[in-house]
Amino acid sequence: NAGVTQTPKFQVLKTGQSMTLQCAQDMNHEYMSWYRQDPGMGLRLIHYSVGAGITDQGEVPNGYNVSRSTTEDFPLRLLSAAPSQTSVYFCASSYSGVSGELFFGEGSRLTVL
Amino acid sequence: AQSVTQPDIHITVSEGASLELRCNYSYGATPYLFWYVQSPGQGLQLLLKYFSGDTLVQGIKGFEAEFKRSQSSFNLRKPSVHWSDAAEYFCAVARTNKLIFGTGTLLAVQP
Repeated sequence: NAGVTQTPKFQVLKTGQSMTLQCAQDMNHEYMSWYRQDPGMGLRLIHYSVGAGITDQGEVPNGYNVSRSTTEDFPLRLLSAAPSQTSVYFCASSYSGVSGELFFGEGSRLTVL
Repeated sequence: AQSVTQPDIHITVSEGASLELRCNYSYGATPYLFWYVQSPGQGLQLLLKYFSGDTLVQGIKGFEAEFKRSQSSFNLRKPSVHWSDAAEYFCAVARTNKLIFGTGTLLAVQP
């Protein structure tokens, strides 16, 4: 099993550009989530999904969109990147929602100039 | 309102010394509580979790944590720290499909 796979690992964008961070898991987990990690602020939840076709907002959803068309994939879209979105992004999944262990990807470092 | 507070941003201990990392939560009901560890450049790994029952929970790598309802705390402990324990540690609380993390404590281990 590959676990949780995030691509790309590094990306540089210009302000106003759009991009999609990909997240895929091969563990048949229903729950998936996206976090951003910034120095001194820990991890903040952006969006989460409890199953295919179901998504909801986390703590810091503004500027980000998600969809969940399959159990395996949970892409995160930045429609118009801003320098404030410079961060490290982590995707995580769990078999039993937030009561279970979250399995994290290795992270995607995004810089917006 | 902040759900999880980790008051110590950075802690340095000597190898072989004991360790306690503090975590306080603000949540009405008995929450699901977790400790995760992040090594440099990596994702997070679960150390231990508490749902109910025995308030002292054992985790991986020799870590334990104690839930104290009266103090709204869930402190992480280890009797003897190893150099490989140097990492960032995050306390987290589960709230209705959301796992909310504290701001983390960075642990440095001196030889």
